[in-house]
Amino acid sequence: DGGITQSPKYLFRKEGQNVTLSCEQNLNHDAMYWYRQDPGQGLRLIYYSQIVNDFQKGDIAEGYSVSREKKESFPLTVTSAQKNPTAFYLCASSIDRGLTYEQYFGPGTRLTVT
Amino acid sequence: KNQVEQSPQSLIILEGKNCTLQCNYTVSPFSNLRWYKQDTGRGPVSLTIMTFSENTKSNGRYTATLDADTKQSSLHITASQLSDSASYICVVSGDDMRFGAGTRLTVKP
Repeated sequence: DGGITQSPKYLFRKEGQNVTLSCEQNLNHDAMYWYRQDPGQGLRLIYYSQIVNDFQKGDIAEGYSVSREKKESFPLTVTSAQKNPTAFYLCASSIDRGLTYEQYFGPGTRLTVT
Repeated sequence: KNQVEQSPQSLIILEGKNCTLQCNYTVSPFSNLRWYKQDTGRGPVSLTIMTFSENTKSNGRYTATLDADTKQSSLHITASQLSDSASYICVVSGDDMRFGAGTRLTVKP
């Protein structure tokens, strides 16, 4: 999984609770990304960060928040405002935000909210 | 409508057989096209990347083709193995990256 770790692999939460998913990389990559994967759909971009202390909304940022205090870490918080949070979440990183650079993905976290 | 359409949605083949997966896209402008392999419950892993000027690229038993004029790509898998069972995702980059929904391949003994 290319030096990217995500934890935990499975996460269960009750509706109304915020939950934070961890993503760490040791590839010295500047850019990091969070995607959501649902059955029958392509990956959808939640947030991305090109550099420490900077991040941008992706296509489906509502109900999510992120931080980038360290180059190695890009945690994602799924808030109670996210209407349908149950999904498989993937973190990725690349040398730079440029689209010619390959993205390396972590192993994913499967979040189930009941 | 998704800008990257993959077909078929799922495919079952016998071990040792060949197969071809399709990817049609409408993304414009076009920068590159990647094929990823995603094992169940894992993150995607890159197989190939192709730019506008490339029309064929191989990675072992995997061969990707690209027709930028018709905006079509294919991934051909030769002499399939049980370990090829996975989802194969087509990703097209233009102004942004757009992901196909994937083709779920099952290789049976």
